[in-house]
Amino acid sequence: AQTVTQSQPEMSVQEAETVTLSCTYDTSENNYYLFWYKQPPSRQMILVIRQEAYKQQNATENRFSVNFQKAAKSFSLKISDSQLGDTAMYFCAFMRPGGSEKLVFGKGMKLTVNP
Amino acid sequence: DTAVSQTPKYLVTQMGNDKSIKCEQNLGHDTMYWYKQDSKKFLKIMFSYNNKELIINETVPNRFSPKSPDKAHLNLHINSLELGDSAVYFCASSQELLAGFAKFFGPGTRLTVL
Repeated sequence: AQTVTQSQPEMSVQEAETVTLSCTYDTSENNYYLFWYKQPPSRQMILVIRQEAYKQQNATENRFSVNFQKAAKSFSLKISDSQLGDTAMYFCAFMRPGGSEKLVFGKGMKLTVNP
Repeated sequence: DTAVSQTPKYLVTQMGNDKSIKCEQNLGHDTMYWYKQDSKKFLKIMFSYNNKELIINETVPNRFSPKSPDKAHLNLHINSLELGDSAVYFCASSQELLAGFAKFFGPGTRLTVL
């Protein structure tokens, strides 16, 4: 069974600084998808970024980028130029394509951006 | 336009009651899901439907019964509510995997069982 681990329960960063959120996962699969979701106080689950395991290039979405290390099974999220609106819970998630489309989530990490 | 909508947003009820949560998506997606987020913020899948057919049922008590009248709707009915059912329930939808797969989540329904 796949597992996703987010070892840091909470982090804080100053506005405009860069912060990295860590995530590791365990799987015997070779092809899979990885995601970062953001859950602000409004509770909405918002997809931040996704990475296909067969792609070597790290995904980037504006201020958000990932450092995907397939051999190490590591999938960290870097937020550049942090903004107050980035304050949220961040969930790392894994999905194995084909068959059941279950997203396996990590326990989440609370990020606070301070002014 | 809301992509995935859920009603109600808040639901407070007594133990033993039966309640339903409705979900609708206007994205034309084939697959819909129900997730449960517990008090520790841990998200876990409950059910998945593809074109109105049940795909995933993750050891959820029989008191929980999803119903999909069409592929744009997936409702969750809960019988004999228990205290432990208190949680936030998220509906989600997704499209085919190979085309840049992503799940879109609804705003959540906070269920409180007293």
